[in-house]
Amino acid sequence: GAGVSQSPSNKVTEKGKDVELRCDPISGHTALYWYRQSLGQGLEFLIYFQGNSAPDKSGLPSDRFSAERTGGSVSTLTIQRTQQEDSAVYLCASSPLGTSGRRYFGPGTRLLVL
Amino acid sequence: GQQVMQIPQYQHVQEGEDFTTYCNSSTTLSNIQWYKQRPGGHPVFLIQLVKSGEVKKQKRLTFQFGEAKKNSSLHITATQTTDVGTYFCAGYDYKLSFGAGTTVTVRA
Repeated sequence: GAGVSQSPSNKVTEKGKDVELRCDPISGHTALYWYRQSLGQGLEFLIYFQGNSAPDKSGLPSDRFSAERTGGSVSTLTIQRTQQEDSAVYLCASSPLGTSGRRYFGPGTRLLVL
Repeated sequence: GQQVMQIPQYQHVQEGEDFTTYCNSSTTLSNIQWYKQRPGGHPVFLIQLVKSGEVKKQKRLTFQFGEAKKNSSLHITATQTTDVGTYFCAGYDYKLSFGAGTTVTVRA
């Protein structure tokens, strides 16, 4: 079946612009996660959704970052007034169960802020 | 909060040799998961360990969960070029925390 999809696959933007990153999880997966991976680094947790609610937003680095999920499915991560340090790969993952379950990762969106 | 440490950060291996990467948690874990990320790719789930002292094998990969459920290891035998990538462990207590990964390169 279809895996997690993300769009766009690549995004180049200018400093100060807003960007929206989209994640389409596996159908039926109630949990959705956003991670950030800087070049050569590990996975930095950003936010977790259970259904449309976000019980854990502790990883969002600043108030420029926000995310929403609608219909228990698609999620959008928005970064306002982008900065060069926001350049990274943004990975979305979903899981069918709670937070203890395995993550199914999407291919990521590679964001470059000039 | 929970911390998951992985060592080594980098592993350079001669093709055909064995190596082990280690994962240590500051807290007792309910489960530990391992993922592999190929260069330019995304993390892909390999395995989950739940029981104290559990050992699981996938072909040339052997995964072990420590008796105290605070550490884990991944041992790869007869390394091949297809083993290149970054291996992440992720430990779950009340939250899943990823280690920084071990990046493996292979000399042919």
